[in-house]
Amino acid sequence: DAGVTQSPTHLIKTRGQQVTLRCSPKSGHDTVSWYQQALGQGPQFIFQYYEEEERQRGNFPDRFSGHQFPNYSSELNVNALLLGDSALYLCASSPGQGNDGYTFGSGTRLTVV
Amino acid sequence: AQSVTQLGSHVSVSEGALVLLRCNYSSSVPPYLFWYVQYPNQGLQLLLKYTTGATLVKGINGFEAEFKKSETSFHLTKPSAHMSDAAEYFCAYTGTASKLTFGTGTRLQVTL
Repeated sequence: DAGVTQSPTHLIKTRGQQVTLRCSPKSGHDTVSWYQQALGQGPQFIFQYYEEEERQRGNFPDRFSGHQFPNYSSELNVNALLLGDSALYLCASSPGQGNDGYTFGSGTRLTVV
Repeated sequence: AQSVTQLGSHVSVSEGALVLLRCNYSSSVPPYLFWYVQYPNQGLQLLLKYTTGATLVKGINGFEAEFKKSETSFHLTKPSAHMSDAAEYFCAYTGTASKLTFGTGTRLQVTL
């Protein structure tokens, strides 16, 4: 049973560019959340998608946007990249609210130069 | 506002010794609490969780944690450390909001 799959695994972008990260949730999971993990820090919640709608949003600017598709997969888009956006981006999926725990993918390492 | 505090950013133990990683939370609603482990260049793996019911929770790889409401704590323990336990450990909380709030992590080093 495949877990959460993220692509690409690594990415290098230049300041000002735009990036799209992708996530396929674990089979049977319908809720997808995105987290940003800066080096040496704990993950920070970006937003959560359920039934193709953004259900919750963390303290991130509008440059961060997302989408969920009918098959529950999701994309995270970041516009006008800043050096400070360099981080590991983690996707997590769960059935429903997620109070029973989330399954995390291995992440996408984004480096902005 | 809800928060999670992990005491000790680095903990070093000898192989075979007790592992104790501390976590305290702040919440105005009943919490759901989790411990995750992260190995280098990898995502997070769920070790154990407390939702409701028994306050002593057993997880994978011999880890366990006890939810103490009076102390607002959820410390992670393992009776005997193994070299393979060396990793970063994160305590996380969620209440009714369903998003996870993480602590800053504790790096566990296991020495011979």
